[in-house]
Amino acid sequence: DAEITQSPRHKITETGRQVTLACHQTWNHNNMFWYRQDLGHGLRLIHYSYGVQDTNKGEVSDGYSVSRSNTEDLPLTLESAASSQTSVYFCASRPGTGNTEAFFGQGTRLTVV
Amino acid sequence: GDSVTQMEGPVTLSEEAFLTINCTYTATGYPSLFWYVQYPGEGLQLLLKATKADDKGSNKGFEATYRKETTSFHLEKGSVQVSDSAVYFCALSYTYGQNFVFGPGTRLSVLP
Repeated sequence: DAEITQSPRHKITETGRQVTLACHQTWNHNNMFWYRQDLGHGLRLIHYSYGVQDTNKGEVSDGYSVSRSNTEDLPLTLESAASSQTSVYFCASRPGTGNTEAFFGQGTRLTVV
Repeated sequence: GDSVTQMEGPVTLSEEAFLTINCTYTATGYPSLFWYVQYPGEGLQLLLKATKADDKGSNKGFEATYRKETTSFHLEKGSVQVSDSAVYFCALSYTYGQNFVFGPGTRLSVLP
């Protein structure tokens, strides 16, 4: 079965370190998204991509970057981790056409100490 | 810009009670509307959706009707179960696979 997987599921890192969260989907979806989930804010869009070599900033993109070198993967990098980036991160994918749902990964809980 | 507002809860109900979770939206165009559910420790799953005004989405006993005149998409279920305990997110999106705008989520706890 096609799926979307995130790794790691849990990560503890120190302030100032670079961290990369992986997201891999096997649906061959063109569109991929990264969200962070915080109490009281719901899910907020960090970055998104509509295809290979395409990346776009979302509403909370400061301190994050993504790259899209193939269809399957959209890694999220925290350039210099800050305590404010402690959160649960969700990756999602969606076909590039049609009015379909997005499929979400299981999430990565990141703690910055 | 587009936004989604929903009651944040938490909402606590007894088993077999009637559930309503309110959702209203502000949109610059004509979006599709969605309800997603998140069970503890899991990612979000689609519960139901509606793509145009007056459409009714339904799944697992849950229903929601796209009301353009009141810009609302309220979620209802006639008789909740303990297994319905989760966080529910209202969201909007446009066609062509664009990103979603989510509400803050509503935590539902159903007691036996």
